[in-house]
Amino acid sequence: EEDLVESGGGLVQPGGSLRLSCAASGFTFSSNYMSWVRQAPGKGLEWVSVIYGGGTTFYADSVRRRFTISRDNSKKMVFLQMNSLRVADTAVYYCARETALAGATFFDLWGRGTLVTVSS
Amino acid sequence: DIQMTQSPSSLSASVGDRVTITCRASQNINTYLNWYQQKSGKAPKLLIYAASSLQSGVPSRFSGRGSGTDFTLTISSLQPEDFATYYCQQSHNTVYSFGQGTKLEIK
Repeated sequence: EEDLVESGGGLVQPGGSLRLSCAASGFTFSSNYMSWVRQAPGKGLEWVSVIYGGGTTFYADSVRRRFTISRDNSKKMVFLQMNSLRVADTAVYYCARETALAGATFFDLWGRGTLVTVSS
Repeated sequence: DIQMTQSPSSLSASVGDRVTITCRASQNINTYLNWYQQKSGKAPKLLIYAASSLQSGVPSRFSGRGSGTDFTLTISSLQPEDFATYYCQQSHNTVYSFGQGTKLEIK
């Protein structure tokens, strides 16, 4: 069965760092784009970052130069290193698989999310 | 960046109603538009991709239309399990963006 499981969330002080992990199973990981999407408490979805199979990365303006996405295809893992954290980064962070079909791309597999709380 | 605007932000309806949610992009995104359903405390679920293609396993009462900047998601006959929040998302460029969401509530 295809699955994504996030880990690494927790409570961190403003200015601190945290590293999220996402473990994939049940599909050919190396060929898929992988994204992080977050959701602040009571708010909507916000795309954070994507990494292609070969390592190309893109970021939302709100996290560029503070967050770094990476992947280990041999371990079927994707990571999000979050530095200089702000209160506004408090959210549930979801790992999502992006599938391409006939030119379209979409998030068709999501993890259950991990909560990051930035507070003093 | 491409801004996505959904309307309405919230909607009250009854079981059996036909409802339509609108999503507008700030620039032409062709048909690179996806729709998701999210229930409270759960991860989003893909409903429609490429504006009008139904994801496998999603009931046929869900349908999507549109191209360019204007898109709609229609539920033909609301079922109790459809009360949730719905999001559109553009995948036209690599800096993806979601609409702010439409909360569908029971009248």
